[in-house]
Amino acid sequence: AQKVTQAQTEISVVEKEDVTLDCVYETRDTTYYLFWYKQPPSGELVFLIRRNSFDEQNEISGRYSWNFQKSTSSFNFTITASQVVDSAVYFCALSEARGGNQFYFGTGTSLTVIP
Amino acid sequence: DAGITQSPRHKVTETGTPVTLRCHQTENHRYMYWYRQDPGHGLRLIHYSYGVKDTDKGEVSDGYSVSRSKTEDFLLTLESATSSQTSVYFCAISDSRTLYNEQFFGPGTRLTVL
Repeated sequence: AQKVTQAQTEISVVEKEDVTLDCVYETRDTTYYLFWYKQPPSGELVFLIRRNSFDEQNEISGRYSWNFQKSTSSFNFTITASQVVDSAVYFCALSEARGGNQFYFGTGTSLTVIP
Repeated sequence: DAGITQSPRHKVTETGTPVTLRCHQTENHRYMYWYRQDPGHGLRLIHYSYGVKDTDKGEVSDGYSVSRSKTEDFLLTLESATSSQTSVYFCAISDSRTLYNEQFFGPGTRLTVL
């Protein structure tokens, strides 16, 4: 069974629009960590954020914000006023406390921002 | 940026030949990982290491072996490459000071098996 599901395979938005990338996870652990990574067209993987299972506060960093809801097992990522530089593939990942820091990645969402 | 390099960056090989990919870090991190990235699958863990000579299997370990004789180097070997192993391979590291820290990734190696 997939531990991390990113149902949106591809999304296209026009520049300056807001966009939300969905991430749903599955775990039986009470202690776990969730991550978002960005992979721009150049191919490298860039760490964006980590959230642990005991901290449900939403986080905002500039145009980026993350909404963590344990009740729905979701960790969604919103980009406000999107820019062309936001075009990338975004991955959500889960690490479980009993998993030896193994990461389980979703299949990614490809975001295209149209100028 | 975390000091992680991968070599080679690109490789084309033929079915049945052995291939070794190298990951080198300058961060002295305890944990090192090998992933493969394929369309529709995201990143999948092949093997990981939690110390020198300490390794374990990941989700897709069949056909791969690893070795770690020094903290800074983690080698991934395909003993007899197959076309299904055509992929982009990423190495990652994480800090042991806080166990569940984020992983930092190398630039990737694009491997084509003909």
